[in-house]
Amino acid sequence: DGGITQSPKYLFRKEGQNVTLSCEQNLNHDAMYWYRQDPGQGLRLIYYSQIVNDFQKGDIAEGYSVSREKKESFPLTVTSAQKNPTAFYLCASSMGRGFHNEQFFGPGTRLTVL
Amino acid sequence: EDQVTQSPEALRLQEGESSSLNCSYTVSGLRGLFWYRQDPGKGPEFLFTLYSAGEEKEKERLKATLTKKESFLHITAPKPEDSATYLCAVQGQNFVFGPGTRLSVLP
Repeated sequence: DGGITQSPKYLFRKEGQNVTLSCEQNLNHDAMYWYRQDPGQGLRLIYYSQIVNDFQKGDIAEGYSVSREKKESFPLTVTSAQKNPTAFYLCASSMGRGFHNEQFFGPGTRLTVL
Repeated sequence: EDQVTQSPEALRLQEGESSSLNCSYTVSGLRGLFWYRQDPGKGPEFLFTLYSAGEEKEKERLKATLTKKESFLHITAPKPEDSATYLCAVQGQNFVFGPGTRLSVLP
């Protein structure tokens, strides 16, 4: 089955710790995206990558980092510099480059900072 | 700055009671408007893309329409399984999601 997987589904971390969220897709999509969703708010773009070894900051990139070493993988690291990291994190991919292409989302990772 | 608002924030319908959800936008040169459905605790599921004013798309009980300033998602004779949050997103100079409309359909 083709799709996007995110792991883990739930993640807990202590303040001051970095944590990495996994996102893998086997759809052969060029572009991948990371969003953050807070209660009652729309999705906000953190980072996106249109091609391997290249990525761009979204609207709320501060305190986050990414890498795109393989087409299938786009991990997100939430660093200790992120002031309010507790949120629902969603990864997405699209076939073509550019936001005008429909995005397919993974199941999400809920991060809680204790 | 590109902006998207959705109304109402929440909507409760009886099964079979048709209604519409609104997505209003302000963008510099619309390149696409997207509708997604999101169930609690899950990732959004793509529904429709609309590119130009006057365009309409349908899928089962859902129909999306687009004007120069807003889009409507019409739900005809909804069923309880249509209960979800419906998200609108637009691409102008930026890509922006609206806050969503939380729809509850009661049996």
